[in-house]
Amino acid sequence: EPEVTQTPSHQVTQMGQEVILRCVPISNHLYFYWYRQILGQKVEFLVSFYNNEISEKSEIFDDQFSVERPDGSNFTLKIRSTKLEDSAMYFCASSNVARGDTIYFGEGSWLTVV
Amino acid sequence: GDSVTQMEGPVTLSEEAFLTINCTYTATGYPSLFWYVQYPGEGLQLLLKATKADDKGSNKGFEATYRKETTSFHLEKGSVQVSDSAVYFCALTSNRDDKIIFGKGTRLHILP
Repeated sequence: EPEVTQTPSHQVTQMGQEVILRCVPISNHLYFYWYRQILGQKVEFLVSFYNNEISEKSEIFDDQFSVERPDGSNFTLKIRSTKLEDSAMYFCASSNVARGDTIYFGEGSWLTVV
Repeated sequence: GDSVTQMEGPVTLSEEAFLTINCTYTATGYPSLFWYVQYPGEGLQLLLKATKADDKGSNKGFEATYRKETTSFHLEKGSVQVSDSAVYFCALTSNRDDKIIFGKGTRLHILP
């Protein structure tokens, strides 16, 4: 069964460093997402991406965050200058159709900022 | 805005017990409803879904029925197993925007 894959599974970084989290969405999907889950808390929406541009973003997704689809298969989340509070599990997701369709999640990238 | 409320955990049951995890939602229009499961150390997996009123989603012995009149989507299983221990998230997607909205999650512990 097709799946969303994410790398790395776990990354430790120093505060202020840049981090890039990578994702390969399901191949025929058109809509891509990033969510995050701070330890013990709910899963929060960060950003959605369609047709090579951001379609929606939350207030969490401030100027230190950016997303990119550099080629036909990868979808990346960049955090420019990490803060301690960015420590969380980051989930990439994709769907074939927006608005009501099933969204498929990767296994997550656990980011620890020290 | 749209939201999902689910029962607080943790929920601890003995093996073979009956499980109910309550979930209610607030949404305009006709959302699609989902249950996702997160096993220890793993990502979010779709467990089941329902896309319109009175639909019943089912998978792995779990069931949930989309009740528009009570805006609910309660998760049930007749006989739980130790392997069902996980965190369960109720969620919805609307027809108005692209994102999925999650409840806070309910941690389930099944004792042998």
